[in-house]
Amino acid sequence: AQTVTQSQPEMSVQEAETVTLSCTYDTSESDYYLFWYKQPPSRQMILVIRQEAYKQQNATENRFSVNFQKAAKSFSLKISDSQLGDAAMYFCAYRTPLNTGNQFYFGTGTSLTVIP
Amino acid sequence: DGGITQSPKYLFRKEGQNVTLSCEQNLNHDAMYWYRQDPGQGLRLIYYSQIVNDFQKGDIAEGYSVSREKKESFPLTVTSAQKNPTAFYLCASSIRTVLYGYTFGSGTRLTVV
Repeated sequence: AQTVTQSQPEMSVQEAETVTLSCTYDTSESDYYLFWYKQPPSRQMILVIRQEAYKQQNATENRFSVNFQKAAKSFSLKISDSQLGDAAMYFCAYRTPLNTGNQFYFGTGTSLTVIP
Repeated sequence: DGGITQSPKYLFRKEGQNVTLSCEQNLNHDAMYWYRQDPGQGLRLIYYSQIVNDFQKGDIAEGYSVSREKKESFPLTVTSAQKNPTAFYLCASSIRTVLYGYTFGSGTRLTVV
């Protein structure tokens, strides 16, 4: 099975500041997809951003961007201009290609606190 | 509005009883998944189904069973053989042939009393 590691169980950031959440993964495949999901206190999982492994350009969605380092198998999430509503658990996820099961594997999550 | 509906939101089960968690989607998604979430362990895959009448075990299938008789529905039964069933259960769906992310339901919290 693939493994996804989030080494920061908890992080905190001042409102309006920038924070980076780390994620590494282990795979022998060359074609795969990576995702960041947000789980607020409501526990509803929300897709934040995704990255195709074959693309060199880092994905960006408004205040959220990733630093994808394929050789290092690293996929960090940067949140700029942090807002109180960003407080949540963040999960990094790896998705296998269709021909190898098409499954997601999740990290253990990072709990982000935003300090007013 | 299209989405995934999980019911009930909270469920209590006595030890030794089977219980079924409902998951229904109206997104016309081919694939459906069940995950279990425990504190500090992230999400772990229980079962998944790519098409109707077919499903595969995930990493922690022991003590669980599923069915996929309709495209819209993927119920999960937690049997008495599951030794530690108290957890938060999430259902998800996706388009099989396009590699987008999952759409998740709002979850069911199961507690054994």
